[in-house]
Amino acid sequence: DPKIIQKPKYLVAVTGSEKILICEQYLGHNAMYWYRQSAKKPLEFMFSYSYQKLMDNQTASSRFQPQSSKKNHLDLQITALKPDDSATYFCASSQDDTQNTLYFGAGTRLSVL
Amino acid sequence: TQTVSQSDAHVTVFEGDSVELRCNYSYGGSIYLSWYIQHHGHGLQFLLKYYSGNPVVQGVNGFEAEFSKSDSSFHLRKASVHWSDSAVYFCAVSAWGSGTYQRFGTGTKLQVVP
Repeated sequence: DPKIIQKPKYLVAVTGSEKILICEQYLGHNAMYWYRQSAKKPLEFMFSYSYQKLMDNQTASSRFQPQSSKKNHLDLQITALKPDDSATYFCASSQDDTQNTLYFGAGTRLSVL
Repeated sequence: TQTVSQSDAHVTVFEGDSVELRCNYSYGGSIYLSWYIQHHGHGLQFLLKYYSGNPVVQGVNGFEAEFSKSDSSFHLRKASVHWSDSAVYFCAVSAWGSGTYQRFGTGTKLQVVP
């Protein structure tokens, strides 16, 4: 059974719309992350959370907002979508933010038309 | 700032051959180095990591990697590959301590020909 669940697996959106990518982990981890993978860039770090607090944000645009309603949830809200946002978004977790073994979800593949 | 580079975008070998996937890093302090594997359509899976001690670390499925401070390298090796090893392999680096995150290389696509 997958321990990190990302929903949906595929997502198609129109330019200018808003979407929420869901991530839940059942590993009992305290740190969660979002990474983005596209054809133009390698695996790119976006956000890290530890005990539901934002630790690091390397995303230039405020259109990307992580949301942590529970310790094992870290959703990603994207507003005013652009075609350049098309990518696969991976959620990951680790025991805590000093641990460097990441566990990844299967990803959400976002296409913006 | 830590950086990591993987010079080979694609590597093709025959089943049963040995393989080495190259990773070089740039950072002045204490670091973690890791390798991950990504099969097509899936998320990344951890293979192995190094942070201190024996420079040769063993991972799953017969993979090992060797840390070299003098060469700033952390190359991944396997003595005899199987067709199921075909995947993209990512090297990653992060600094020690709280609040750091892993930076990934561009990946090396390994194709194992049966």
